[in-house]
Amino acid sequence: NAGVMQNPRHLVRRRGQEARLRCSPMKGHSHVYWYRQLPEEGLKFMVYLQKENIIDESGMPKERFSAEFPKEGPSILRIQQVVRGDSAAYFCASSRDMNTEAFFGQGTRLTVV
Amino acid sequence: AQSVAQPEDQVNVAEGNPLTVKCTYSVSGNPYLFWYVQYPNRGLQFLLKYITGDNLVKGSYGFEAEFNKSQTSFHLKKPSALVSDSALYFCAVRDSFSGGYNKLIFGAGTRLAVHP
Repeated sequence: NAGVMQNPRHLVRRRGQEARLRCSPMKGHSHVYWYRQLPEEGLKFMVYLQKENIIDESGMPKERFSAEFPKEGPSILRIQQVVRGDSAAYFCASSRDMNTEAFFGQGTRLTVV
Repeated sequence: AQSVAQPEDQVNVAEGNPLTVKCTYSVSGNPYLFWYVQYPNRGLQFLLKYITGDNLVKGSYGFEAEFNKSQTSFHLKKPSALVSDSALYFCAVRDSFSGGYNKLIFGAGTRLAVHP
């Protein structure tokens, strides 16, 4: 059973470009969470999604960031017009239901130059 | 405010010695507590969790954690450290206001270095 798959592993974008981060949850998992890890800091919650629904986006920046989890396909975290401060590791996690523990992917390391 | 504190940036231990990685928390209501480990260039791996029941929780790779309600602590322990245990360890608590889902509040992490 494959774990949570994130791609790409590393992403370099110039300021002003768009970044698209993908996350395929574990088989049988329909709950997805995105976290951001800034350098030398712990992970910070961004958003919680179920299929086709955003349940909690309280950790998402108000502008430029969006997330989706369509009925088919991976969850996507989109960052428009990236700035240097967006450079971080973005982790996706999934769980079978809301009460079981979440399993994390290997993360996407975004570097904005 | 809800929070998790890991007071040590780094812990150094000799191989074969016992190790402790400290964690204290502040949360409303009953805490749901977790430990995760992050190896270089890899994602977080789940080690163990406490929800209810015995205060001593056993997890993966020989790790265990002791829940202490009066001290609001959830320290990670292992009787005999291995060099391969060297990694970054994160303590986390579930947000009490999350409605029961995995909205986790993480500590800043503690780097464990086990020396041969």
